Amino acid sequence: NAGVTQTPKFQVLKTGQSMTLQCAQDMNHNSMYWYRQDPGMGLRLIYYSASEGTTDKGEVPNGYNVSRLNKREFSLRLESAAPSQTSVYFCASTEAKHSYEQYFGPGTRLTVT
Amino acid sequence: AQSVTQLGSHVSVSEGALVLLRCNYSSSVPPYLFWYVQYPNQGLQLLLKYTTGATLVKGINGFEAEFKKSETSFHLTKPSAHMSDAAEYFCAVSINNNDMRFGAGTRLTVKP
Repeated sequence: NAGVTQTPKFQVLKTGQSMTLQCAQDMNHNSMYWYRQDPGMGLRLIYYSASEGTTDKGEVPNGYNVSRLNKREFSLRLESAAPSQTSVYFCASTEAKHSYEQYFGPGTRLTVT
Repeated sequence: AQSVTQLGSHVSVSEGALVLLRCNYSSSVPPYLFWYVQYPNQGLQLLLKYTTGATLVKGINGFEAEFKKSETSFHLTKPSAHMSDAAEYFCAVSINNNDMRFGAGTRLTVKP
């Protein structure tokens, strides 16, 4: 049982390049989330998916798109990376029936130059 | 929307001393409250949570927190700090499954 996995662990992009961050969970959870973590700001929600086939914007969605490929996988895409998107990105999931506890992946550290 | 304020971005204690990390929240409805811990270069791990019922909540690694509605607080404590407790701690509040708000975090340093 791997929990929540994310790839890649590290990535460096040039301004304007695109990339997709991958996330998968093996806990059969319904809801999945993408957060970004910046120093002094905690975690902020980018997008979430309450169930397979649905996605919704969070607190900071601009510059990102997401795809809920199936129940296991939830990807985050940066179409045209900007230096302001330099951050650590975390994927999380939750069962949704219990107490809203979220399980986090190990994170992707992204630098945009 | 709900929000969380963590008082003190850095807290330093000596090994064996009391750990107290402060968290205040605002919420228009009864919240669920959480403390997460993040070790360097890792994801967040749940320490403890308050949903309903007993207001004193015990978590892993000897940590506990008390929900005080009158003070809108959910402070995290541990009677005796260990070197392995050095990490960043996040308080979070949620009123539904799709809107969890995190505090800015408190970095705990434990001195030998």
